[in-house]
Amino acid sequence: QKEVEQNSGPLSVPEGAIASLNCTYSDRGSQSFFWYRQYSGKSPELIMFIYSNGDKEDGRFTAQLNKASQYVSLLIRDSQPSDSATYLCAGGSDIPTFGRGTSLIVHP
Amino acid sequence: KAGVTQTPRYLIKTRGQQVTLSCSPISGHRSVSWYQQTPGQGLQFLFEYFSETQRNKGNFPGRFSGRQFSNSRSEMNVSTLELGDSALYLCASSQGQGNSPLHFGNGTRLTVT
Repeated sequence: QKEVEQNSGPLSVPEGAIASLNCTYSDRGSQSFFWYRQYSGKSPELIMFIYSNGDKEDGRFTAQLNKASQYVSLLIRDSQPSDSATYLCAGGSDIPTFGRGTSLIVHP
Repeated sequence: KAGVTQTPRYLIKTRGQQVTLSCSPISGHRSVSWYQQTPGQGLQFLFEYFSETQRNKGNFPGRFSGRQFSNSRSEMNVSTLELGDSALYLCASSQGQGNSPLHFGNGTRLTVT
């Protein structure tokens, strides 16, 4: 069974700090990985996607992929209170499997 | 470009009834996927349609069905509703090339009483 695992949190970080969100996956055939942000009562919003081993940066966000370790992470630099949300990791080869999400709280 | 549009936003039904949810994808997107989201199970994949054909199906009973029209709009139907069907139903569209990023609609909140 294809699984994507995330720590449910909450992960609490002070404003301005780096938030590190982690995800592991079981399907070695997974080719694509995604990070979505979901505010309470809202639908998921795509933040980043990554297909190759290594780092991918977009503004304050960096996605990291290590296929050998079956590990994906999302770093948020200079965290802001508006980043407080649930972050969903998804991966797969045809249809993405979603993790349960990690709740992030950024406190002033 | 307009986003993914789902209607209705909220629905209240009673057990045994059936319901139809609608989804209009982003213009040019040919793939439409449906997900069920509950606090206990997270996001669960229901099915995916591409060019009017069901391309993938999740592990849900046959009471859950869907279809896609020639303009890529999609509908999802749930028959003989059960209390456990209460959830947020999310539609997502993508360009459909392999495992491409999903763009979600605002969802339909279904409550079964």
